[in-house]
Amino acid sequence: KNEVEQSPQNLTAQEGEFITINCSYSVGISALHWLQQHPGGGIVSLFMLSSGKKKHGRLIATINIQEKHSSLHITASHPRDSAVYICAIIQGAQKLVFGQGTRLTINP
Amino acid sequence: SQTIHQWPATLVQPVGSPLSLECTVEGTSNPNLYWYRQAAGRGLQLLFYSVGIGQISSEVPQNLSASRPQDRQFILSSKKLLLSDSGFYLCAWSVWSQGLAPGGELFFGEGSRLTVL
Repeated sequence: KNEVEQSPQNLTAQEGEFITINCSYSVGISALHWLQQHPGGGIVSLFMLSSGKKKHGRLIATINIQEKHSSLHITASHPRDSAVYICAIIQGAQKLVFGQGTRLTINP
Repeated sequence: SQTIHQWPATLVQPVGSPLSLECTVEGTSNPNLYWYRQAAGRGLQLLFYSVGIGQISSEVPQNLSASRPQDRQFILSSKKLLLSDSGFYLCAWSVWSQGLAPGGELFFGEGSRLTVL
C-alpha cells in the first residue's frame, strides 16, 4: 500500500464545475505539497501547507493533520486547469513521497 | 528571479550507453538540489539530493549516480544504461537550509524524457 493515496485517479468535468481532489496519507508528516504537472511534463508547486487552509486564485488547499487528509479544490474550473495534480508528503528534512496523481480534464 | 535549467529535454539512448543529464539553477546560492524520476504510469520518486557541493545522498540503489561539481550545478549520470532507466527525470531545488521544512518551496525544471532502447 502506498503511503500516499490520491482519489480519484481520473476526473473529467465540464467547464465551471467545482472540483475536489483528495489525498490521504498514512505516516506522520511535517508538511504536504500540491503540485501541478502539465502535459509536457513540467511541474509547478501550487501549495505547501502544514495546517489549515491556503487559497490562491481559484485554487484552495486544505489539510487535516489529525485525519491525515488533504484536499485540493478548484472553483469555476476552466479547460486550462486540465493537468495532473500530485500530492506529496514531506518526511523528515529532505524526502518527498508522491501520490500517483489525479488526471483532471475540463471540457469546454 | 530564480530559474532552473535542465537539459537535454529529450534523449534516446541504446542500452549500455552512458548518460549525462545536467541541471543548473540561477538567482540563488547554496540551494538544495534534487533529482526525481517518473516512470511511465507511476508517481515521482526521489533519486538523489544534495545540500552542498560534493554532498550527495542517494535514496534508492540503482544504476545511476549524481554529482554536484559547483554550487548551482547538479548532474545525473550513468555509465551503462538499462532499459529500466527509461523515464521522465526532473531536477528540483529548494532554498531552505532545513530542506523542505514548512514554508519552503520546491521548484522543478522542465524535465528530461529518457528512452532507452
